[in-house]
Amino acid sequence: EAQVTQNPRYLITVTGKKLTVTCSQNMNHEYMSWYRQDPGLGLRQIYYSMNVEVTDKGDVPEGYKVSRKEKRNFPLILESPSPNQTSLYFCASSFYPGEKLFFGSGTQLSVL
Amino acid sequence: AQSVTQLDSQVPVFEEAPVELRCNYSSSVSVYLFWYVQYPNQGLQLLLKYLSGSTLVKGINGFEAEFNKSQTSFHLRKPSVHISDTAEYFCAVSDRDDYKLSFGAGTTVTVRA
Repeated sequence: EAQVTQNPRYLITVTGKKLTVTCSQNMNHEYMSWYRQDPGLGLRQIYYSMNVEVTDKGDVPEGYKVSRKEKRNFPLILESPSPNQTSLYFCASSFYPGEKLFFGSGTQLSVL
Repeated sequence: AQSVTQLDSQVPVFEEAPVELRCNYSSSVSVYLFWYVQYPNQGLQLLLKYLSGSTLVKGINGFEAEFNKSQTSFHLRKPSVHISDTAEYFCAVSDRDDYKLSFGAGTTVTVRA
């Protein structure tokens, strides 16, 4: 089944404790992206990647890191999480930026 | 990057009535346009997209949208809604030469019997 898999589904952590949210797709997509969803703000793009070893900042990259060492994986790293990073996070992928995005089920992160 | 404005944050509507969700974006340069739907506790799913060609685009579940370049709008319509259309709807826009995808704040549609 074609899918984007994110883990974990829920995560509660404390300020400053490094964490990684994993994202994997099985569709051989070139393009992958991370978004955060906050009430009243919709989805905002954090980082995106056009291919292996090619990443670029979205609209809200501060406090986040990503890597694309393999085509299928695009982890999101929070080196020192802060409470303002409490949000619902989505990973998505597509063959190209203008094509249909496939979304993961989301990761609800709470930073205390 | 584009700025996307969804003009209505909440749209209550009765079952079998028509609905229109409005979306405007900031720039008239060549764009890709999308509408996504998010059902409760789920990720987003594509309803329809406009890349080029006819300005009237038909999508899944009876939805359609019209691209208006001069007004920089991409409004979504459905002639007769069902209870199952209750969801949050997002308009998204990408410049053709920029790989950033910008979303609107979302419109929550609540369909009542």
